[in-house]
Amino acid sequence: DADVTQTPRNRITKTGKRIMLECSQTKGHDRMYWYRQDPGLGLRLIYYSFDVKDINKGEISDGYSVSRQAQAKFSLSLESAIPNQTALYFCATSDSPTNEQFFGPGTRLTVL
Amino acid sequence: KNEVEQSPQNLTAQEGEFITINCSYSVGISALHWLQQHPGGGIVSLFMLSSGKKKHGRLIATINIQEKHSSLHITASHPRDSAVYICALDGGATNKLIFGTGTLLAVQP
Repeated sequence: DADVTQTPRNRITKTGKRIMLECSQTKGHDRMYWYRQDPGLGLRLIYYSFDVKDINKGEISDGYSVSRQAQAKFSLSLESAIPNQTALYFCATSDSPTNEQFFGPGTRLTVL
Repeated sequence: KNEVEQSPQNLTAQEGEFITINCSYSVGISALHWLQQHPGGGIVSLFMLSSGKKKHGRLIATINIQEKHSSLHITASHPRDSAVYICALDGGATNKLIFGTGTLLAVQP
């Protein structure tokens, strides 16, 4: 079984809809991250969390929110989706102190 | 200027060739990561290094902290090595990574 899972794997939605992407991990890591990937751009950090009660904005947090419901679960929400949020979204966890990153399989989101 | 630059952006090689992908950066780091993203999209960590050289199978990663440069080498390349290779900077204090845009490698049989 995969250590980091994401649901859904693909989602097509319309402008203005609320969307939630979910991430679960069985690695026992405290640190979790949400990234987006766009063609020609590197992975960009949306939000990250180092503990259940810890939430931090990344470089592109506008239009997104997150919830860390438990050590193993980190959800990303788009309150009102817009077309330029069409992208590939990755959840990742990391180990301390090495900070080696373990990625989920990605969610391809299309906003029409 | 971007904090991290990879070269080349695209690389086509013949099976068996020795391949080098470069990563240059302009900020202080505690470590540098090399990642591999397969055509299906999945991303895996290949190496983390803060000095010197690491080897895993046919992959070798080196870093020169003074010159702010790292290289990823693939010996005896194979079509299954075709992927995007991404370097990422680890600043240490915040545990956030800064990613390069990746090098798309295609190894032809």
